[in-house]
Amino acid sequence: DTAVSQTPKYLVTQMGNDKSIKCEQNLGHDTMYWYKQDSKKFLKIMFSYNNKELIINETVPNRFSPKSPDKAHLNLHINSLELGDSAVYFCASSQDRRGANTGELFFGEGSRLTVL
Amino acid sequence: ILNVEQSPQSLHVQEGDSTNFTCSSPSSNFYALHWYRWETAKSPEALFVMTLNGDEKKKGRISATLNTKEGYSYLYIKGSQPEDSATYLCAFQRGSSGSARQLTFGSGTQLTVLP
Repeated sequence: DTAVSQTPKYLVTQMGNDKSIKCEQNLGHDTMYWYKQDSKKFLKIMFSYNNKELIINETVPNRFSPKSPDKAHLNLHINSLELGDSAVYFCASSQDRRGANTGELFFGEGSRLTVL
Repeated sequence: ILNVEQSPQSLHVQEGDSTNFTCSSPSSNFYALHWYRWETAKSPEALFVMTLNGDEKKKGRISATLNTKEGYSYLYIKGSQPEDSATYLCAFQRGSSGSARQLTFGSGTQLTVLP
């Protein structure tokens, strides 16, 4: 039973299209994240939600919009896709423990987006 | 934490060898240090989270140490096995709450253990 699952795993689309990547976690965690793996293989934080509230919003084009309908889901919607958006996007979750906020991240398997 | 450096970038060792890699940050101002193991075609999995200077954590043949004063951590693998082949990522956590909880990742050390 996958703890953090993302769909789709692969997405090939044309420039200018709008697409979404969905993420669900069944771990009961209260914090979810979207990371982008850049061309140098670094994982860069994009967004973080805690109990459906946005707490981290890094310098990301406003074409990227996260949506958290509930604690277990954090979806990523991308408008007007550009070539540079091609990357692997990882969803993750963690439990924000009171007094010991070092909860490790649990990652999904990634969604590879290719923009043509 | 602007830049997390991991060295070496890649490493090939023979089965049975012991090895270690480094994770460092130019800033010693951080709350925690995470290590993750990332096998090809899978997702990163947490190995350790450390906060205290001098902390040492162990999981089987893998252990890690942390020096908060100088901003570095070592990961050690004793008696490497082919199944240890993976990319080992470290990440610094700036603070304990809110946006400071975000992790800044290094690009990883890619370990290949040859049988």
